[in-house]
Order: sequence, then C-alpha cells, then structure tokens
Amino acid sequence: GESVGLHLPTLSVQEGDNSIINCAYSNSASDYFIWYKQESGKGPQFIIDIRSNMDKRQGQRVTVLLNKTVKHLSLQIAATQPGDSAVYFCAENMNRDDKIIFGKGTRLHILP
Amino acid sequence: ETGVTQSPTHLIKTRGQQVTLRCSSQSGHNTVSWYQQALGQGPQFIFQYYREEENGRGNFPPRFSGLQFPNYSSELNVNALELDDSALYLCASSGQQMGETQYFGPGTRLLVL
Repeated sequence: GESVGLHLPTLSVQEGDNSIINCAYSNSASDYFIWYKQESGKGPQFIIDIRSNMDKRQGQRVTVLLNKTVKHLSLQIAATQPGDSAVYFCAENMNRDDKIIFGKGTRLHILP
Repeated sequence: ETGVTQSPTHLIKTRGQQVTLRCSSQSGHNTVSWYQQALGQGPQFIFQYYREEENGRGNFPPRFSGLQFPNYSSELNVNALELDDSALYLCASSGQQMGETQYFGPGTRLLVL
C-alpha cells in the first residue's frame, strides 16, 4: 500500500485565515517530500519540497513542517485566498531517482 | 506554466483499441515520468525514462509501454484498452541530475467506452 496518506479529504477555510493541511507517512527511510497543488482540469503544480535533514522550509506564503519523530508532514498556507482552492497532495520520493508516491489528496475549499 | 506539454488534451477510445499519448519535456530536462490519475485519486506512477531508457516502473501491466526520443520527448502507448484505463495521464519532466523535482504537464484525459 501507499506510505503517504492524508488525514482529511476536505478542508474548509475562511478567506484570509491560515490553512493547515496534514499528511502522515509510514516509511522512516523516506528522505524527500513534496507538496503539489492541483486545480481542476490541470496537472499537479509544485509548491514546495523538504528533505529529511530539515524540519521546516518556507516559501512565498507557504511553510512545510516535517516531524520525523511522528512521521508527519504539514503544509501551512498563510492568508488563504480564493486562488488557493484546489486539491493538495503530499508526495514522497523514496529513492530520489524515480517514482513519486502520492497520497489521495485534500481538497481545500475557501469560504467567502 | 511548467513548460511541459502534452497531446492530445482529450481522447475517446473504445475497448480493445490502442492509444499513443505524447509529452514534450521542459527545456533542459532529460527525464520523463508518466502517471495515471483516476478520478478522485492521486497520480500513480507508471514508468520513468532517463536518457531514452526505462528507469523504473510501477505496478502496471506490459500493455503500458513507452518511448523516449533523443530530444527527450516521450510517448506512452497503451494496448488493448480496458474501461478502467479511463483516467488523466500525466507526464512530468525533471532535470539533469537524478532525483530532481518533477514538473507536471496538464495531462491527457482518456475516456474508454
């Protein structure tokens, strides 16, 4: 089975609030994690990645946190905007040389 | 936009037919990976091509095959189509070094009737 999974299938957030999307992984040997955003009718769009030698990485309005002790990954989106509406996937690249293993995704719904 | 393009955007086939999907990788990328995404699911890895050779394969039957050309563009071929092959087929390209971030194209939506 997949080693990457998500806690919630749907997350509703008020516009302007912060969003937190969570992800669990099962393989302690995993060393590279990626967050993708997929809008309707489009391919997954790279957001941010993190390697296992880090516990936090920041981008523009996004932060990824990695807790290797509990094998947990989260994506934080600051000041959520309507354009953030999408399905968010956490993904794992175990060997760093071929496949990416995706979870099922979390749909982020922005409330006006 | 990632610079990864795929064709066609949509396709309708019937059971038993064969299909060829095409992908042009981002400039400077020599690795192409193909994924199948069923409705409501995450993408599933089919296989990867690196410098024109297959470099890893997921849990897909041999009727899924591929090619990579000297310009690093790629084809995915599926023979003897089945209804369950209906999905979004995604191509992703990545850079010169192994393990670099994969950037996805918009996908080809295949419907098998």
